[in-house]
Amino acid sequence: NAGVMQNPRHLVRRRGQEARLRCSPMKGHSHVYWYRQLPEEGLKFMVYLQKENIIDESGMPKERFSAEFPKEGPSILRIQQVVRGDSAAYFCASSPLVGVSNEQFFGPGTRLTVL
Amino acid sequence: QQPVQSPQAVILREGEDAVINCSSSKALYSVHWYRQKHGEAPVFLMILLKGGEQKGHEKISASFNEKKQQSSLYLTASQLSYSGTYFCGTAASGGSNYKLTFGKGTLLTVNP
Repeated sequence: NAGVMQNPRHLVRRRGQEARLRCSPMKGHSHVYWYRQLPEEGLKFMVYLQKENIIDESGMPKERFSAEFPKEGPSILRIQQVVRGDSAAYFCASSPLVGVSNEQFFGPGTRLTVL
Repeated sequence: QQPVQSPQAVILREGEDAVINCSSSKALYSVHWYRQKHGEAPVFLMILLKGGEQKGHEKISASFNEKKQQSSLYLTASQLSYSGTYFCGTAASGGSNYKLTFGKGTLLTVNP
């Protein structure tokens, strides 16, 4: 029973390029969350998606960042025109439903380095 | 607002006990505990819900004081594998129970 999958695990981009991060939730999970983690910091909520819907993007920067979770395929976090401050670990989590407990299971993360 | 974890770091010898605290200024609906090893995914440990019971399995347990908006994680007879950074994530009462706000973490090191 595979867990949450993320790829790539490491991504290096030059300033101004685009970064695409992918997340496949656990089997049977239809809810996806993206978090960002800076060194020595906790995880910070970015966005919550269900299939074909963005439910809450209150943690996303207003510009350059976007997320989607299409009907088929993985969820994508897209960062356009990356800057050095975007360097961080980006984690995806999934849950089977949003109910009483809402346990979230995390993937291994994508470590983005912007040169 | 970010919950405050204490201590920031703790060093134990194998077999010793530890308590990690998580405190919020907001009324909480739930507290989630995770352990993360360097360069790896956070691993879910347990969730405590408002009005729920103290949770635990084997040597790791946790409590949730709703009145004080505090949770504590108890590690007894620690093992080398317990080393890592422990994070609490909180969901505010009356808000979105999916939206977790994480503390900065507590680094636990267990030595032989």
